[in-house]
Amino acid sequence: NAGVTQTPKFRILKIGQSMTLQCTQDMNHNYMYWYRQDPGMGLKLIYYSVGAGITDKGEVPNGYNVSRSTTEDFPLRLELAAPSQTSVYFCASSYSRLLYEQYFGPGTRLTVT
Amino acid sequence: DAKTTQPNSMESNEEEPVHLPCNHSTISGTDYIHWYRQLPSQGPEYVIHGLTSNVNNRMASLAIAEDRKSSTLILHRATLRDAAVYYCIPTLQTGANNLFFGTGTRLTVIP
Repeated sequence: NAGVTQTPKFRILKIGQSMTLQCTQDMNHNYMYWYRQDPGMGLKLIYYSVGAGITDKGEVPNGYNVSRSTTEDFPLRLELAAPSQTSVYFCASSYSRLLYEQYFGPGTRLTVT
Repeated sequence: DAKTTQPNSMESNEEEPVHLPCNHSTISGTDYIHWYRQLPSQGPEYVIHGLTSNVNNRMASLAIAEDRKSSTLILHRATLRDAAVYYCIPTLQTGANNLFFGTGTRLTVIP
């Protein structure tokens, strides 16, 4: 299994541009998550999904949108990028709600200038 | 959420045991203590978790104080690959939006 894959690995955006961060998992996990990690800080939950067609906000959802049309994919959309969204974005998935089962992807490093 | 206090950084010599402390004095009776770690330039990975009893797995041991206000992650023989940021997270065992990461302890392993 490839586990959780994320693309792209790096991206530089100009202020006001939009982009979609891709996340795919091949473990048939129901739960998927998006986190952001600012320099020197811990991770904060942006959005999560408990299954195809179901999404909910996490701790820091403003400026982002998500969709979950399939079990495998959970893209994160940034509209009107701002410098405050400069961060490393991690996608994770889990089979259940058990918190010790989250598997994380390698991350996408995003810079907004 | 229970607040946690962890040292910002610790050092260990390779092949020696490492004890990573965590204070969580406001932990609730239903919170489990989860430990995750984040290797350089990678996403976090699960290490271990427990409720009241000490726990062991292939990666580490978790020693939980009798009053549950603190815990210690024990790496029995540190390797260079164990250099990472270690996060102590007291939280419910379930709940999609309940994994709150603090700033953790950065462990440096000296060859």
